[in-house]
Amino acid sequence: SAVISQKPSRDICQRGTSLTIQCQVDSQVTMMFWYRQQPGQSLTLIATANQGSEATYESGFVIDKFPISRPNLTFSTLTVSNMSPEDSSIYLCSVPGTSGATDTQYFGPGTRLTVL
Amino acid sequence: GENVEQHPSTLSVQEGDSAVIKCTYSDSASNYFPWYKQELGKRPQLIIDIRSNVGEKKDQRIAVTLNKTAKHFSLHITETQPEDSAVYFCAAGGVKAAGNKLTFGGGTRVLVKP
Repeated sequence: SAVISQKPSRDICQRGTSLTIQCQVDSQVTMMFWYRQQPGQSLTLIATANQGSEATYESGFVIDKFPISRPNLTFSTLTVSNMSPEDSSIYLCSVPGTSGATDTQYFGPGTRLTVL
Repeated sequence: GENVEQHPSTLSVQEGDSAVIKCTYSDSASNYFPWYKQELGKRPQLIIDIRSNVGEKKDQRIAVTLNKTAKHFSLHITETQPEDSAVYFCAAGGVKAAGNKLTFGGGTRVLVKP
């Protein structure tokens, strides 16, 4: 499977500010997914990021709050805008498996965000 | 959209015993069902998956069964060991028209007591 890295690994931010999280993959992938995992909870898909087109957001998530960039096939960013304490979560990116198993997803190490 | 329910939410077993986690899904178009293990502070790791063209798959001490008619699938861990203690998530997806996105169950916290 691909090697996936995320930056930062963790951050503590003040309410009202924004944080941009980076996801880097060591191979080209068509889609990248962004998830939120609130404390003690399951994984919730925020959006799917395709290269060359706008991200597709899931119900309950909007572009103004979570803008996503996908400038190339190995990189994506997720911004958490105008943060509040309720945004404290782990944010994870994931990528599909290689050909023959593109329905599989592999996760990055996550970004642990605390908003004060 | 897809909805995945997972039971139980917590499971405590004695070392050496078996553990079973069950999931149901709602979208009959789903055809891919992975299981992830998440240890504390770590990323979810894929441990086994099954596609709708098979009913059972086994990998050493773990196995997954799928009943497409009833829309449920289960994870079986035999001869549990303390290192099996973690949170396990089931998921459903594999629908190309939906971008192959996955919908996750609520998770099961497994504690293996030595």
